[in-house]
Formats: sequence, C-alpha cells, structure tokens
Amino acid sequence: EVQLVESGGGLVQPGGSLRLSCAASGFTVSSNYMSWVRQAPGKGLEWVSVIYSGGSTYYADSVKGRFTISRDNSKNTLYLQMNSLRAEDTAVYYCARDGDPGWFDPWGQGTLVTVSS
Amino acid sequence: QSALTQPASVSGSPGQSITISCTGTSSDVGSYNLVSWYQQHPGKAPKLMIYEVSKRPSGVSNRFSGSKSGNTASLTISGLQAEDEADYYCCSYAGSSAVFGGGTKLTVL
Repeated sequence: EVQLVESGGGLVQPGGSLRLSCAASGFTVSSNYMSWVRQAPGKGLEWVSVIYSGGSTYYADSVKGRFTISRDNSKNTLYLQMNSLRAEDTAVYYCARDGDPGWFDPWGQGTLVTVSS
Repeated sequence: QSALTQPASVSGSPGQSITISCTGTSSDVGSYNLVSWYQQHPGKAPKLMIYEVSKRPSGVSNRFSGSKSGNTASLTISGLQAEDEADYYCCSYAGSSAVFGGGTKLTVL
C-alpha cells in the first residue's frame, strides 16, 4: 500500500526552527517528485516546496531562504527544515507525491505546526 | 504566484449536477494541461479527484469530470450525493511550482 506518514510538528516560538519528516512506504521517494503543501487554520491549500527525482528543489516565495526540502534515500523519507519561523507559518503541513509533476497523490495525514510565543 | 480563483461556495440538491470553475492565467492554467482537483472533508487530508484536466484516478466515481478552456478549468459533479459535501480545490502546475485555488465549499441541500 502506498502511504505517507508525517511527523515532527509542534509548538515553536517565532524565529525558531523545526524539521518535519515524511516516511514513505509502497514506493521510492527518490524516484518521484515529492512536495510539501500547507494549510493554515480555516484557510486553503498552499504549495510550499518540491524536490525532483533528480534532486532539484523549488520553493514558494513565502518560504524561500527559510525552508529547505531534502530526502534521505536510505530511509525513504522526505524532510522539510523550517528556520526563522513566523506566525504566518502556522499550518497543517502535508507531504505528497507529486505526479508528472502538477498533481498530488497520495497525501500524508498532515502534521500541525504552531508558531507562537 | 497568485491563487487561482474559485467560487467560495456552491450548492445543489441530491441527484443534480454542479460545476465549479477555476480561473487562472496564461502562466498556469492556460499554459499547461496539468490542472488537478482535490476533495477535502473536514479534518481530513485532501484526496485527488481529477488530474491532467480530465483524468480520473482509479477508484474515483465517474460522476466526477473535469475540463478546461483557455485560462479556466472546471469540475463537474453529476448525480450529487450527500457524501460529496466537502471543500474542493483546484491546482495548476506553474513551471517548477504549483498554485492552488482558494477552495469551494460544496453544500448538498
């Protein structure tokens, strides 16, 4: 079964850092495009970042320079390192396999990141 | 990248058909046949319903269909059922990035 499981969310103070993990099963992370998508409380979906199978990475302007997407092939796991966190980064963060690219399936269950003092 | 434009809400009675529009620009929807649609129930992760404008993943009901004309994509749900009540999001590839619509709340009356 193809599955993604996120972890690492929690409460962090403004300016702090957090690393999210996304463990994949049923497929190989390094052979696919993988993305992070977030959803602020009561708001819509926002694409955050993608890593291509070849290793190229891209970011939304809102997180560029602060967030870093990466993967560990030996662990079949995707990561999102988030630095200099702001209140507006508060959201549920989902990882998803990015098909083609441009469409997302499957999605993980999400992990909540709260940035607050 | 600006969000794609969707109506905030739509409604329909069981058995009816509804269409949700998704308007972008020539840099996203208009440039790529990579529009997708997602269904999200409260507290749940989004679920892919349509990809590459009009393709349905395995397991998705054929009551769901997609189309595109110019910078506007559309999702049509026919034979509305109570379980279709959810939020729906469109998404377009935009060249090394993706952009989502603001979401549409579908109410089944």
